[in-house]
Amino acid sequence: KAGVTQTPRYLIKTRGQQVTLSCSPISGHRSVSWYQQTPGQGLQFLFEYFSETQRNKGNFPGRFSGRQFSNSRSEMNVSTLELGDSALYLCASSLLTQGPSNTGELFFGEGSRLTVL
Amino acid sequence: AQTVTQSQPEMSVQEAETVTLSCTYDTSENNYYLFWYKQPPSRQMILVIRQEAYKQQNATENRFSVNFQKAAKSFSLKISDSQLGDTAMYFCAFKLFSGGYNKLIFGAGTRLAVHP
Repeated sequence: KAGVTQTPRYLIKTRGQQVTLSCSPISGHRSVSWYQQTPGQGLQFLFEYFSETQRNKGNFPGRFSGRQFSNSRSEMNVSTLELGDSALYLCASSLLTQGPSNTGELFFGEGSRLTVL
Repeated sequence: AQTVTQSQPEMSVQEAETVTLSCTYDTSENNYYLFWYKQPPSRQMILVIRQEAYKQQNATENRFSVNFQKAAKSFSLKISDSQLGDTAMYFCAFKLFSGGYNKLIFGAGTRLAVHP
């Protein structure tokens, strides 16, 4: 069974540009969440999608947005890039989001390393 | 709001020895999960061990075990018989059980180096 796949793995952008990152969850997983990892702020929750709906959002500006498609694949977009957006962006998928069968485990991809110059 | 604190930025241990990583958390909720995730230099985050707050018994996974003290809001990870492959960043994480939302709150991490 394939794991969580994130593309691209590495990318370099300049300030003011926008970027789109993609995440394909494990087959059958309907919940996809995104995290930003930086040396200074650590791992911070961006947002979660389930059945194409954003269920939860972290404390990030509106420049950060996302969406989920009917096949559970998700994209996140960052517009008007700033130097501080340089980070590793991690996507995680999960099988269930409700009920006693929810083991709580999230499965992570290898991440997309964004550098903003 | 929930917070997770890892007070040890770096730890080192000799191969085959035992090491304990500390984690404390703060929450007013009663039902939640606690996790230890490992992030090797290749960057992919891997679950090491999971604990449901309603379970009194400490979780164990092979060489990895936890000491879960709910009243003290403490969740430490013990690695026995340390191996070179255990070298990684270790993150303690919290997730609410209710609501089903998959929002993990992470600690700052502990960088563990296992030396031969």
